[in-house]
Amino acid sequence: KNEVEQSPQNLTAQEGEFITINCSYSVGISALHWLQQHPGGGIVSLFMLSSGKKKHGRLIATINIQEKHSSLHITASHPRDSAVYICAGLDSGGGADGLTFGKGTHLIIQP
Amino acid sequence: EPEVTQTPSHQVTQMGQEVILRCVPISNHLYFYWYRQILGQKVEFLVSFYNNEISEKSEIFDDQFSVERPDGSNFTLKIRSTKLEDSAMYFCASSGLAGVLEEQFFGPGTRLTVL
Repeated sequence: KNEVEQSPQNLTAQEGEFITINCSYSVGISALHWLQQHPGGGIVSLFMLSSGKKKHGRLIATINIQEKHSSLHITASHPRDSAVYICAGLDSGGGADGLTFGKGTHLIIQP
Repeated sequence: EPEVTQTPSHQVTQMGQEVILRCVPISNHLYFYWYRQILGQKVEFLVSFYNNEISEKSEIFDDQFSVERPDGSNFTLKIRSTKLEDSAMYFCASSGLAGVLEEQFFGPGTRLTVL
């Protein structure tokens, strides 16, 4: 069974800072999702990646399959980036559909 | 922009009662999922559904749970006899042709409170 660990659990930073959130997993995956959850509870998909790097606006996600590690970076952070960021892995075992979620990183960006 | 919708946003029920949570996935999506999040805990996978049948289910998805796509648009999660520990936020999600290898779009969730 895959274990997905995120660090840090909580992160408070000043507006404009470069943010890095890390995710590691214990078994091979075929895809990794980065999700954003706002205080109201809604979940938004940010990225799905299986190799390399993806960029969307100020967000960058990278994954190293061999090291079983992924990072989410936020450049020029802004208070509206404050949210819980969750990584979730899809096991590479045949037929697996269910994502295994990390506990999330609670990010607060102060003005 | 197309989105996943869920109703109701909040459901309060008595222990032992049946509840049905409803979801309308994005219209051209083929894969549907239910997840739950108990307050303060991580999101957990419940079930995936494709081609009118369950594709995979987790240990949580026991005989008390069932899913259905009663028509071309709705996707429902039924809990037959609710327990206190079923209190959670339930999220529906959908994805397109590539299924699990594609981005999943989440609904806003239904908060279920079992008294």
